[in-house]
Amino acid sequence: DAKTTQPNSMESNEEEPVHLPCNHSTISGTDYIHWYRQLPSQGPEYVIHGLTSNVNNRMASLAIAEDRKSSTLILHRATLRDAAVYYCILRDSGGSNYKLTFGKGTLLTVNP
Amino acid sequence: GAVVSQHPSRVICKSGTSVKIECRSLDFQATTMFWYRQFPKQSLMLMATSNEGSKATYEQGVEKDKFLINHASLTLSTLTVTSAHPEDSSFYICSALTGGSGELFFGEGSRLTVL
Repeated sequence: DAKTTQPNSMESNEEEPVHLPCNHSTISGTDYIHWYRQLPSQGPEYVIHGLTSNVNNRMASLAIAEDRKSSTLILHRATLRDAAVYYCILRDSGGSNYKLTFGKGTLLTVNP
Repeated sequence: GAVVSQHPSRVICKSGTSVKIECRSLDFQATTMFWYRQFPKQSLMLMATSNEGSKATYEQGVEKDKFLINHASLTLSTLTVTSAHPEDSSFYICSALTGGSGELFFGEGSRLTVL
């Protein structure tokens, strides 16, 4: 799997927007960008994914750079329950290899 | 969304014993499941890929005789940690692949403590 680079940690205040960056300069044309998050002592939870266009769902928005070498996960109004480790992962849609390789992710702290 | 359940969520065992962890897809059939291990303050490490009706594929460095994986049905995969030792204490997480959309859903995790 292509490598992604994320900041180790970020901090936000409650009810403010959060922008979590991810660099993936070696992304291939068939790689989808996936975001998962993991709350303490729980399994990862799917957040959002996209290929080229920006994506929105009830949890977050995903902004993908035009050259696809970076992306940003946007939480529009952070809550205390959004405190988690956020993983940006590339997953090849062209083959049959569906396994996800996790990096270190970004630990998001939300201050009340 | 799809639900994947693991059991037990927590288990404590004595060194030298074997422990079985179950991973079930509750509302969909999963031909492929994945097992991960996570040590404190570290990321998830993929251990093996479990395919229904065939032998599991293990990642490099994972002992297949120590971590036995059985995927006997489309909704159940089991991970057995044989002759467990304290260094096997970890958070074990499974994920299941849905057939149609190809999305991955994760279980809640099982925390193993070997005394």
